[in-house]
Amino acid sequence: EVQLVQSGGGLIQPGGSLRLSCAASGFTVSTNYMSWVRQAPGKGLEWVSVIYTAGDTSFADSVKGRFTVSRDNSKNTLFLQMNSLRAEDTAVYYCARIQDTFNYFDYWGQGTLVTVSS
Amino acid sequence: SYELTQPLSVSVALGQTARITCGGNNIGSQNVHWYQQKPGQAPVMVIYRDNNRPSRIPERFSGSNSGNTATLTINRAQAGDEADYYCQVWDSSAVFGGGTKLTVL
Repeated sequence: EVQLVQSGGGLIQPGGSLRLSCAASGFTVSTNYMSWVRQAPGKGLEWVSVIYTAGDTSFADSVKGRFTVSRDNSKNTLFLQMNSLRAEDTAVYYCARIQDTFNYFDYWGQGTLVTVSS
Repeated sequence: SYELTQPLSVSVALGQTARITCGGNNIGSQNVHWYQQKPGQAPVMVIYRDNNRPSRIPERFSGSNSGNTATLTINRAQAGDEADYYCQVWDSSAVFGGGTKLTVL
């Protein structure tokens, strides 16, 4: 059974850093495209980033230069490193697997709340 | 960048048919995917590649896509279908519509 279990959210001050984790089971993270999607309180879904099987990454303009994505193949885990956090980064962050033929999100993590506030 | 437009809200009477639209420039040439999100839960895909339904999704859910509009259709709407629905395409990155709140009356 495919599962994505997230951890690492919380309250952080503006300018701070936080790392989110997404532990996968039932499939191999490194052989799949993986994404992060966020949802600000009361708002819609916003794509944040993707990491491809070759390890190359892409980011939304809103987070480019501040966020990085990586994976630990030995732990089958995806990470989102968030630096220079701003109030507008406050959101529930979801990791998701991408079905890479037609580029849709077929499995999602449960989400983790990141609150950026002083 | 590519934009997707959805109505903020759609209402449907219990047992009737709900249609949620997703507008985009020549969206008919794109693969459109639909997600259902209930309060406090992660999104769940209900339609992929315009009109394909995962096995766990009821047959009441269907999709179409042509011209500048993709449509999610929910037949015989039930109270449990109340949720936010999002369309999505891939245009060098994932693009989501703004979401539509479905209310079942």
